[in-house]
Amino acid sequence: SQQGEEDPQALSIQEGENATMNCSYKTSINNLQWYRQNSGRGLVHLILIRSNEREKHSGRLRVTLDTSKKSSSLLITASRAADTASYFCATDARRGFGNEKLTFGTGTRLTIIP
Amino acid sequence: DTGVSQNPRHKITKRGQNVTFRCDPISEHNRLYWYRQTLGQGPEFLTYFQNEAQLEKSRLLSDRFSAERPKGSFSTLEIQRTEQGDSAMYLCASSLGLAGGFIYNEQFFGPGTRLTVL
Repeated sequence: SQQGEEDPQALSIQEGENATMNCSYKTSINNLQWYRQNSGRGLVHLILIRSNEREKHSGRLRVTLDTSKKSSSLLITASRAADTASYFCATDARRGFGNEKLTFGTGTRLTIIP
Repeated sequence: DTGVSQNPRHKITKRGQNVTFRCDPISEHNRLYWYRQTLGQGPEFLTYFQNEAQLEKSRLLSDRFSAERPKGSFSTLEIQRTEQGDSAMYLCASSLGLAGGFIYNEQFFGPGTRLTVL
């Protein structure tokens, strides 16, 4: 089974609205990363949050992490048409120094309606 | 451009043929990773290198798959006797890893090589 599970699987919102995606995982982690993928393209790194952090911001992105619930959320504020993409969370299991293999969920497909 | 590059971007082959993909990581990155992604799924880990040493291989990496990173720079992924089930996007990523007493965990991905096996 997937280590990370994103919720919802698909989300459609109007341009300018905020989009929230959630991710749950099963094992203890070192870090959690969020990625964006446009159709048929490679993954773009958005943000990394460490297991000892609870919230992190980058531009219009806000990520939270709740290690007690093994969950994270990604909030995109003031959405734009260019934000249309699939979003994945990825975790690296707590072992060694981290920076090892990432385990991805199946992603949330976000569509921004102009 | 100093990002991760992959070649070729697309490969169409007949079942039973061998194929080889190349990945050039970000130049100062010590760690290099290979992932495979099928339609509608997230990427799945295949293998990774710390410099030239291959440190872990997934059970997904059957005997028909082999990866190398001979000089700790670029890497190749070879699939022998391809099968239709090998059709997927093959993604390469790199990360800085341990440097200057800090651990840099962000993995940066290339554009991928899309393999189609007929």
